[in-house]
Amino acid sequence: EAGVAQSPRYKIIEKRQSVAFWCNPISGHATLYWYQQILGQGPKLLIQFQNNGVVDDSQLPKDRFSAERLKGVDSTLKIQPAKLEDSAVYLCASSSLRVGLNYGYTFGSGTRLTVV
Amino acid sequence: GQQVMQIPQYQHVQEGEDFTTYCNSSTTLSNIQWYKQRPGGHPVFLIQLVKSGEVKKQKRLTFQFGEAKKNSSLHITATQTTDVGTYFCAGSKTSGTYKYIFGTGTRLKVLA
Repeated sequence: EAGVAQSPRYKIIEKRQSVAFWCNPISGHATLYWYQQILGQGPKLLIQFQNNGVVDDSQLPKDRFSAERLKGVDSTLKIQPAKLEDSAVYLCASSSLRVGLNYGYTFGSGTRLTVV
Repeated sequence: GQQVMQIPQYQHVQEGEDFTTYCNSSTTLSNIQWYKQRPGGHPVFLIQLVKSGEVKKQKRLTFQFGEAKKNSSLHITATQTTDVGTYFCAGSKTSGTYKYIFGTGTRLKVLA
């Protein structure tokens, strides 16, 4: 099966600019996640969708970050305005609820964001 | 909030030596997953543990879930250069939510 697709792979922006990332999960995966991974740290959950509804966005800095998953398939994550500390890799992951407990997340290759 | 810590943070081993990373949660977990992230890559799912005291093996990798479901370990026997990467545990506090908190990771370097 095709993996989780993310674009772009790399992005360099100046602080206070805006940026958007796109993710297309594995077909049929109901749950989609956005994680932020700062260099040298573990992935930090930003938002979790189930179909097109938000399950958890408690760690999303809502004053500057927004995410949507229209039609329960692909998703976009936006940052506006960006700060220097937003420099990180943004990982999208999806998982299937149907198979229950034996499958973990499938991650995309990520978008490496550098804010200068 | 829930925290998941891993030790050690870094480990350098000679090829052929064994390696162990430990994962500790501040709260009791419903289940725990392990991921491997190669340098420059993204995390790749290795395994999930659900039952108290569970032990699972994948070739040279042995995974354990503690009796109290608050800690876990990954042991690699006779490391190879292909084992290089960062190993993360990820714990879920509540069954069925599919929400996992990742640990701090252990970066493994294998010297040939």
